[in-house]
Amino acid sequence: QQQVKQSPQSLIVQKGGISIINCAYENTAFDYFPWYQQFPGKGPALLIAIRPDVSEKKEGRFTISFNKSAKQFSLHIMDSQPGDSATYFCAASTTGTASKLTFGTGTRLQVTL
Amino acid sequence: DVKVTQSSRYLVKRTGEKVFLECVQDMDHENMFWYRQDPGLGLRLIYFSYDVKMKEKGDIPEGYSVSREKKERFSLILESASTNQTSMYLCASLDAAQSQPQHFGDGTRLSIL
Repeated sequence: QQQVKQSPQSLIVQKGGISIINCAYENTAFDYFPWYQQFPGKGPALLIAIRPDVSEKKEGRFTISFNKSAKQFSLHIMDSQPGDSATYFCAASTTGTASKLTFGTGTRLQVTL
Repeated sequence: DVKVTQSSRYLVKRTGEKVFLECVQDMDHENMFWYRQDPGLGLRLIYFSYDVKMKEKGDIPEGYSVSREKKERFSLILESASTNQTSMYLCASLDAAQSQPQHFGDGTRLSIL
C-alpha cells in the first residue's frame, strides 16, 4: 500500500526551465514533509522540508508548495541546471521529525543543455 | 559533518548464505534505520532502532533481522539470502531530538546469485 504517491516517474527538462514533481498522501496524521535528492552512487540527502502550518517554503531555486486540503505537496525547481540531474524522493512522517519516514517512489530528473 | 559508513559498496553472495551488512555512524545518534531501494518502489523501511539493543520492524522485515550492540553500529542480517533480496541497501541515522534530517550512507549494492 503506497501511502505517498509520487509523479512523474521520470522527467526531462531543458536548462533554465522549471521542474515540477508532485506527491499526494492519504494519511492526515502526516505532519512533516521533506524532499530528498540522490545523486548516482550516493545516499539521499535532505533538500528542503515543510510542515503543514505553511503553504510554501522557498530555499534558493527550490520551493515546496503544500496544499493541506488536497493532501498534496510539490517540489518546484526554478532555472533548472544540469547539476540538478538526480533522483528526487518526497517523504512524509507522523512524528513531526524525520523519524519513521514514508517515502515516495522517486522521480528521476534529467536536465538537458 | 555527520558520516554514515556502510562497510561494502558492492557485495555478491549465494542463495542460502547468511549475509551481514554493517553500518557505522560517528555522531552519537540514537536512531538508526535500514532501507532497501528498488527501482519504481522508492525506499522501503526494513528495520529501525531507537537505542542500543532496541529495534522495531519497519514495513518489510520478512527475511531480515538486525543487531545493535553499540550505539554507533547497526547491522542488517539476511538469515538465508534469496534472489529477491538482490537490491540496494541504505543505512541512515538521525538525531531526532534536534529535529535534524536522516543522514544516509552511500549504500551497499547486494547481489544474490
